[in-house]
Amino acid sequence: DVVMTQSPLSLPVTLGQPASISCRSSQSLVYSDGNTYLNWFQQRPGQSPRRLIYKVSNRDSGVPDRFSGSGSGTDFTLKISRVEAEDVGVYYCMQGTHWPRLTFGGGTKVEIK
Amino acid sequence: EVQLVESGGGLVQPGGSLRLSCAASGFTVSSNYMSWVRQAPGKGLEWVSVIYSGGSTYYADSVKGRFTISRDNSKNTLYLQMNSLRAEDTAVYYCARVGGTPLGSNDYWGQGTLVTVSS
Repeated sequence: DVVMTQSPLSLPVTLGQPASISCRSSQSLVYSDGNTYLNWFQQRPGQSPRRLIYKVSNRDSGVPDRFSGSGSGTDFTLKISRVEAEDVGVYYCMQGTHWPRLTFGGGTKVEIK
Repeated sequence: EVQLVESGGGLVQPGGSLRLSCAASGFTVSSNYMSWVRQAPGKGLEWVSVIYSGGSTYYADSVKGRFTISRDNSKNTLYLQMNSLRAEDTAVYYCARVGGTPLGSNDYWGQGTLVTVSS
């Protein structure tokens, strides 16, 4: 299976400051159709996961534009331009390229300093 | 509006069985690929199983041979039959149409149901 490795494990951030989360895959996530199926999820405390970003950099409907995704091949990044209180939670990357076996990163906990 | 509502979780002894259900509305289970994803207490997300529109099924190695995914098209409901349960199967189980794959981008998740395996 493809292993997804996230860093850091924990990310204390001051309100209004930027945050960045890294995700690396053990294999290339470029699919035969040329797309890269790397997704980012947010899980707020006590809630189900909610997808923020699909295919590396496409924001889901209703996701604030302070969230952005980038990367290629095996290295990917989720950035929050200015962290707000509602952004507290755990963020997961997930690869969909090597279906049916979807794999998630271990998660990064974003908290306010 | 799409809704996925899981039920069937609870406390079960090691070696026991449980069947989870996921009732869908605003969405046709049989026309989509549907997954179960679990989350052990305080841990991350783990894909468990998927059933495709054509009926093909796949499982994580950790549950293969013990869990069975199925659906009832007439009830628009997804199931997960869990047998020979172990303590390490304790988790919140989410029913989801996990998008972001070559097969589709739409992404829907239920609220989850807690399964606790303990004597």
